[in-house]
Amino acid sequence: GDSVTQMEGPVTLSEEAFLTINCTYTATGYPSLFWYVQYPGEGLQLLLKATKADDKGSNKGFEATYRKETTSFHLEKGSVQVSDSAVYFCALSDPSNTGKLIFGQGTTLQVKP
Amino acid sequence: DAGVTQSPTHLIKTRGQQVTLRCSPKSGHDTVSWYQQALGQGPQFIFQYYEEEERQRGNFPDRFSGHQFPNYSSELNVNALLLGDSALYLCASSLVAGRVYGYTFGSGTRLTVV
Repeated sequence: GDSVTQMEGPVTLSEEAFLTINCTYTATGYPSLFWYVQYPGEGLQLLLKATKADDKGSNKGFEATYRKETTSFHLEKGSVQVSDSAVYFCALSDPSNTGKLIFGQGTTLQVKP
Repeated sequence: DAGVTQSPTHLIKTRGQQVTLRCSPKSGHDTVSWYQQALGQGPQFIFQYYEEEERQRGNFPDRFSGHQFPNYSSELNVNALLLGDSALYLCASSLVAGRVYGYTFGSGTRLTVV
């Protein structure tokens, strides 16, 4: 079945460091791919998305490129801030088009001043 | 523009009891999905409602049931609660083409079963 695998956390970085969180997926068809962020005690917020191969999603300095050849959607940011500390979830949408999201297990990011 | 609203925010129930959680979708959205997020895990899809019908269901027992009303709001009902049902329950709304436009999540209902 369809699945998403994320790098295990926690990831601890100093402020202004470069961030990469790896995400790979397995899916039949051509899913849309998403990154969601969850701050402590809150729900999920959509960070960025890509709907087809080679699309680059970007928002708030974060970027991710839909790589069909490597089935990956790695999240990157050039310079992290303390306020970026959160749990990040990679997800794909069920290609059958019913809207079901399949999530990875989440990666905790902690940014220290 | 109000986003997705869920109520209550926290709930404590006893094993064997029944619970109802509520969700109002974002204005303009017509599809509601429910997810269960256990501590330290990614959300798991429970089911999705569109036009007051259940469109798809995840791997959850029949104890989990839902409803969508004509105003697109939705309820999640869980019967015969088990300790393992303790989790954050998230509601997500979208247009039917959520796979393209994405989904808006509420802040969730934290259910604790004791």
